[in-house]
Amino acid sequence: QQQVKQSPQSLIVQKGGISIINCAYENTAFDYFPWYQQFPGKGPALLIAIRPDVSEKKEGRFTISFNKSAKQFSLHIMDSQPGDSATYFCAASTTDSWGKFQFGAGTQVVVTP
Amino acid sequence: EPEVTQTPSHQVTQMGQEVILRCVPISNHLYFYWYRQILGQKVEFLVSFYNNEISEKSEIFDDQFSVERPDGSNFTLKIRSTKLEDSAMYFCASSESTGAGQETQYFGPGTRLLVL
Repeated sequence: QQQVKQSPQSLIVQKGGISIINCAYENTAFDYFPWYQQFPGKGPALLIAIRPDVSEKKEGRFTISFNKSAKQFSLHIMDSQPGDSATYFCAASTTDSWGKFQFGAGTQVVVTP
Repeated sequence: EPEVTQTPSHQVTQMGQEVILRCVPISNHLYFYWYRQILGQKVEFLVSFYNNEISEKSEIFDDQFSVERPDGSNFTLKIRSTKLEDSAMYFCASSESTGAGQETQYFGPGTRLLVL
């Protein structure tokens, strides 16, 4: 059972453009939704996270939009830079089963100069 | 900046052998986790550990797997009899707590395990 579905699988965006990655979940008990950034050969690093009591969270160039009724959340990378080229994973977990993250399949983002 | 460290970075083993993957979590963190990532696939949760006990485990974490915090700094994952399908990158992570603002999990660089 794929509890978190992520799209697209890969994304190419020009420098200065907007990267948008979408995730959909099935388990309505999920109440924590982080996004991780992973560079080749490195472990995932938390980028930004949201809880369902808000519909949007912004940190610098990164914004999470959350739609509870649609069970969807997305990551927007504004003014994309070549240094943003990485694989991005969405994830979800419940407070009751803390740490038992369900990860999406990942999106490889390439930002061209 | 404090970081999670893992050793070894790479491990090659024969099928059926036991392996122990080691992790040193961030010193003031209380919650510890193991994940794995098969090449080209998503990260999968294996187990979480708190107060010297397993808190949660996934279906993947069967009797072949065990975790231990043998001393105040190390956190280990043991695979008793490795199978070919255990070949993956194994990530250790730790978090300070689970409460709001302290729940961030910090991942180590991983151990690449190859079972031949």
